[in-house]
Amino acid sequence: AQTVTQSQPEMSVQEAETVTLSCTYDTSENNYYLFWYKQPPSRQMILVIRQEAYKQQNATENRFSVNFQKAAKSFSLKISDSQLGDTAMYFCAFPNQAGTALIFGKGTTLSVSS
Amino acid sequence: DTAVSQTPKYLVTQMGNDKSIKCEQNLGHDTMYWYKQDSKKFLKIMFSYNNKELIINETVPNRFSPKSPDKAHLNLHINSLELGDSAVYFCASTLLAGGKSSYNEQFFGPGTRLTVL
Repeated sequence: AQTVTQSQPEMSVQEAETVTLSCTYDTSENNYYLFWYKQPPSRQMILVIRQEAYKQQNATENRFSVNFQKAAKSFSLKISDSQLGDTAMYFCAFPNQAGTALIFGKGTTLSVSS
Repeated sequence: DTAVSQTPKYLVTQMGNDKSIKCEQNLGHDTMYWYKQDSKKFLKIMFSYNNKELIINETVPNRFSPKSPDKAHLNLHINSLELGDSAVYFCASTLLAGGKSSYNEQFFGPGTRLTVL
């Protein structure tokens, strides 16, 4: 069965610092996609970044980048130059076995302070 | 323009009532979903639906039923509401890619906070 694990329930960081959120998953599939979603206090779910498993290169979106280790089944999110607006809950997500929906991790609450 | 909209955003009701939450997407997507986010913020798929098939998470009580009048709408009907149904319900949509609806970004609605008293 597909599983997604986020082992850090909460993290805190100062503005301008760098923080890494961890995610591990389990699958027997070879080709798949991985996602990080952000849920700020407004509760809107927003896609942060997407990684294709067959690509060696780690995905990057401005201050957000991933460290994708396929063999280790690890998919961490690095946020550089943290901003107050990055305060949110971050979810790692992965397709279910049928590819019909996403399985979400339990989330990591990130607090950025000044 | 709102991509995925849900109404209402807040719903407070009594146990035993029947209620509906509406969802509309104007993105031209072919697949829509309902997710439930519980009090611990855990997000779980309830239904996924495209114009060919409805896939139901087997753990969802049959008091919950999705209804899709057309490709742009997927409404959620809940009968005989129970206290444990209190949660935030999210609608989402995406495009099929490679035969899998979970390969592309899912666009989420703003959520409906349901409170059952």
